[in-house]
Amino acid sequence: RKEVEQDPGPFNVPEGATVAFNCTYSNSASQSFFWYRQDCRKEPKLLMSVYSSGNEDGRFTAQLNRASQYISLLIRDSKLSDSATYLCVVHRAAGYSGAGSYQLTFGKGTKLSVIP
Amino acid sequence: DAGITQSPRHKVTETGTPVTLRCHQTENHRYMYWYRQDPGHGLRLIHYSYGVKDTDKGEVSDGYSVSRSKTEDFLLTLESATSSQTSVYFCAISDMREATGELFFGEGSRLTVL
Repeated sequence: RKEVEQDPGPFNVPEGATVAFNCTYSNSASQSFFWYRQDCRKEPKLLMSVYSSGNEDGRFTAQLNRASQYISLLIRDSKLSDSATYLCVVHRAAGYSGAGSYQLTFGKGTKLSVIP
Repeated sequence: DAGITQSPRHKVTETGTPVTLRCHQTENHRYMYWYRQDPGHGLRLIHYSYGVKDTDKGEVSDGYSVSRSKTEDFLLTLESATSSQTSVYFCAISDMREATGELFFGEGSRLTVL
């Protein structure tokens, strides 16, 4: 299994639709989880962290299932402006201090196109 | 937006020539990173720095070197560019004191090696 694996996409959905992205990770020692958003030809930006109990930010809901090593992102009422690539990011602590201990692994991303 | 500037933003060069990409930050963050992004791959870490003159290798460091002589500047050097180094390079910074997972990325430098 690849370290971080995402739905290949692309997802083409109409405005107003609900869309879900899935992500699986292979390292059970992973500690923190995030979703980043990357617009076409732009830099990635943090969308939201993923907490064990699940968390919501407006139309976005993130969930974590540690037993299945699975993360999800749900977008409700899709807007044209949600069109982007969504990156699943997993953090694994290496057990020592320094930047090397902060090991982020990025998924390849899932492209979302919201259609009028 | 975090104050990160990458230069040059676009560069075309020939195989075998040296190339240096510069990342400049105004946030006084301790940690700085260089990533490359290629189709079919996630962002991959090349090198990172955890302080002035403190650097270490990432996942794909072969063919690259870095230097950090000042807090605000992190340079990535390709000593002898190859076509496989054609990519988009992103610099990122973080303040790890809270380990929030948030990296702030620069706008990217698009490098083409002919």
